[in-house]
Amino acid sequence: EVQLLESGGGLVQPGGSLRLSCAASGFTFSSYAMTWVRQAPGKGLDWVSRISGSGDTTNSAESVKGRFTISRDNSKNTLYLQMNSLRVEDTAVYYCARNRGDNRVELQHWGQGTLVTVSS
Amino acid sequence: EIVLTQSPGTLSLSPGERATLSCRASQSVSSSYLAWYQQKPGQAPRLLIYGASSRATDIPDRFSGSGSGTDFTLTISRLEPEDFAVYYCQHYGSSSYSFGQGTKLEIK
Repeated sequence: EVQLLESGGGLVQPGGSLRLSCAASGFTFSSYAMTWVRQAPGKGLDWVSRISGSGDTTNSAESVKGRFTISRDNSKNTLYLQMNSLRVEDTAVYYCARNRGDNRVELQHWGQGTLVTVSS
Repeated sequence: EIVLTQSPGTLSLSPGERATLSCRASQSVSSSYLAWYQQKPGQAPRLLIYGASSRATDIPDRFSGSGSGTDFTLTISRLEPEDFAVYYCQHYGSSSYSFGQGTKLEIK
């Protein structure tokens, strides 16, 4: 059974940093692209970043470029999102999701999310 | 950047009825990269449809997707009580994803 467990969320001041983790199990982690998607309270889904199975290719939304970095450690079956220079508008539940394949774009499995609150 | 516009914003129907949800893209997109998700309150989204018309694993056949170019549709043939939720379309193109703003399907 595919399992994705996010951690690392919490309360942080504007300008601060957080690193989110997503521990994966139940599949061959390195064979799948992984994606972060966020959802502000009461709002819709907002794509953040995507990384290929090998970690060689990453893409990020314009709103987080230069501030957020997606990475993965295939030896630990873990996905990361390093978030710097956080803004109030980054407040959201952050989901990690497994793509349906390394070259697939649809998000087949999702974690339950971790809440990031940016506030002074 | 491609913008996805979903309509209606809210759809009020009764169990047993047919639901038709629309997703319109601001320019023509590849059907291969069009997906639909369902999200219930307090839960993560669930993949329903990918490639515009292919059902994801374990998705009941009352869910179907269609469309091409700029107009895509998610149809639920006979609504079950568990189908009342928010539905999002999603597209991938030019190395980025975009989501529609969602359609809330509520019980009438």
